[in-house]
Amino acid sequence: GNSVTQMEGPVTLSEEAFLTINCTYTATGYPSLFWYVQYPGEGLQLLLKATKADDKGSNKGFEATYRKETTSFHLEKGSVQVSDSAVYFCALSSNDMRFGAGTRLTVKP
Amino acid sequence: EAGVVQSPRYKIIEKKQPVAFWCNPISGHNTLYWYLQNLGQGPELLIRYENEEAVDDSQLPKDRFSAERLKGVDSTLKIQPAELGDSAVYLCASSPGGELGTDTQYFGPGTRLTVL
Repeated sequence: GNSVTQMEGPVTLSEEAFLTINCTYTATGYPSLFWYVQYPGEGLQLLLKATKADDKGSNKGFEATYRKETTSFHLEKGSVQVSDSAVYFCALSSNDMRFGAGTRLTVKP
Repeated sequence: EAGVVQSPRYKIIEKKQPVAFWCNPISGHNTLYWYLQNLGQGPELLIRYENEEAVDDSQLPKDRFSAERLKGVDSTLKIQPAELGDSAVYLCASSPGGELGTDTQYFGPGTRLTVL
């Protein structure tokens, strides 16, 4: 069945550091791919998405490119801020939505 | 625009007691989801509604869990009786519907259940 594997955390970075959170998937067909973010005490919020191969999703300085050849959708940001501290979930959607286990990011000043 | 509303936010009960969670989706969203999120894990789907019809409840433990979405708007998820292992966050989400593979799901803040 469909599944998502993402980089285990926690990840701790200093402000302005470069961020990469790896995500790979297994799926039949052509799923859509998502990154959701969960801030403390809140629900999941969509960060970005891509619906077909080679699409790049971007939002708030975060980017991820749908790579069909490597079945990956890695999340990147060039310069993280303290306010980016949260848990990040990679997900895929075809007939249903499957989430990764989440990666907790802490950014220190 | 109001987001997905869930209540209560927190619930503590003793095992074998019943518990119910309520969700009001974003206005106009036809599809409603209930997810279970265990600590340190991603959400797992329990049930999906298209309007008032449960179209995917394959992961719902039907011996103790039940759900309803009367009139195709708000929804209630019930556990009776609760077990220690049911302690988790119960998330509700909604989406406009019609494009299952690409629809963005909008999540509520969740109900954190603790079973003692």
